[in-house]
Amino acid sequence: QSALTQPRSVSGSPGQSVTISCTGTSSDVGAYNYVSWYQQHPGKAPKLLIYDVNKRPSGVPDRFSGSKSGNTASLTISGLQAEDEADYYCCSYTVSHTAVFGGGTQLTVL
Amino acid sequence: EVQLLESGGGLAQPGGSLRLSCAASGLVSGGYVMTWVRQTPGKGLEWVSVISGNGDTTYYADSVKGRFTISRDSSKDTLYLQMNSLRAEDTAVYYCAKDGGTRRFDPWGQGTLVTVSS
Repeated sequence: QSALTQPRSVSGSPGQSVTISCTGTSSDVGAYNYVSWYQQHPGKAPKLLIYDVNKRPSGVPDRFSGSKSGNTASLTISGLQAEDEADYYCCSYTVSHTAVFGGGTQLTVL
Repeated sequence: EVQLLESGGGLAQPGGSLRLSCAASGLVSGGYVMTWVRQTPGKGLEWVSVISGNGDTTYYADSVKGRFTISRDSSKDTLYLQMNSLRAEDTAVYYCAKDGGTRRFDPWGQGTLVTVSS
């Protein structure tokens, strides 16, 4: 199972919006609406931000939103804040009942 | 509040074995789907394995299939990962996480470091 494709890095200024893409195949991202996104700060465990493509767990600000089109999912962060600087990972359920992560995207808040 | 605490990490020789544990607390009732995910130092996340609520069904990443075994002891609210035939590329921080059933992971434990080296 090959990793999902994410940009290695993105950046934005405070208050701006950024979008991180996550491209898979018809056997994972394109197969189901079961894409999740995780935020990871250095030295910390990942934290669930988005699940089932566009649902937010309680406590996650609505500045974080998700979408999907075909084999590509996206995470958009609006109103960037300094504390959003972190690594972001997408993950998809697969037709084999396994999971596959993206390679991760480092977000820099300028 | 659900809390997960991994243990059992450490140094192992290539070809050796280790067993990781993940103790769960705060779960109102047992039978949750549980997952292991690993992260190579400085690199990304890799899904490893999942086990059903009753332990009857398991799935593995191709990279560990035939070498790792996931299991659970519901009476102890503990998840395990038996790792055999360890390789240098298994060196990673191993996290356990509650799996929502469709490979969404929340919460996560704090992780335990496994180093495979001679």
